[in-house]
Amino acid sequence: SYVLTQPPSVSVAPGQTARITCGGNNIGSKSVHWYQQKPGQAPVLVVYDDSDRPSGIPERFSGSNSGNTATLTISRVEAGDEADYYCQVWDSSSDHPYVFGTGTKVTVL
Amino acid sequence: EVQLVETGGGLIQPGGSLRLSCAASGFTVSSNYMSWVRQAPGKGLEWVSVIYSGGSTYYADSVKGRFTISRDNSKNTLYLQMNSLRAEDTAVYYCARDQGRALGFDYWGQGTLVTVSS
Repeated sequence: SYVLTQPPSVSVAPGQTARITCGGNNIGSKSVHWYQQKPGQAPVLVVYDDSDRPSGIPERFSGSNSGNTATLTISRVEAGDEADYYCQVWDSSSDHPYVFGTGTKVTVL
Repeated sequence: EVQLVETGGGLIQPGGSLRLSCAASGFTVSSNYMSWVRQAPGKGLEWVSVIYSGGSTYYADSVKGRFTISRDNSKNTLYLQMNSLRAEDTAVYYCARDQGRALGFDYWGQGTLVTVSS
């Protein structure tokens, strides 16, 4: 089955840029989605189809995808961005096609 | 406004059964792909099951043969029937609207906690 690997944690100072990677075999050929989850809350879609943002999501959130790595970038990080972030793809080669990454805890210093 | 509200969670003994419900408003369940996603305490997200608009269903290997996803179009509600429950099924269960391969899960419910323990 398809595996998505994320770093367990990323630390960033306020105002700086956080980059969260999501590694998978030829992930650049798939659409990657990113979710933000704060403690005790449901996940929220922050980037879909590699780099598009749903309405209401700040422009500070952006995404890219190429080769074997997709990246979520959070610019001008704020304290409210502290959360767990998950990448997700749809794997057409499987009959259980939805795959989530292992998750990354973003800590704002 | 799109809303998803899960109910039906609780404490259940190993081997028992439970049915989760997800009542939708603001859109039609039968016209969309709908999934269940779970999260064990302190762990990551795990996709559980999907029902496509055409009625096809798929399951994670960990629940195949024990869980059944369904929907009631008249009630605009999604269900997850969970049988032969195990301790490792303990998790918060979320229902989510799936907008397809290129759009992801755009709306999620608040989740319902299922605890499997004797």
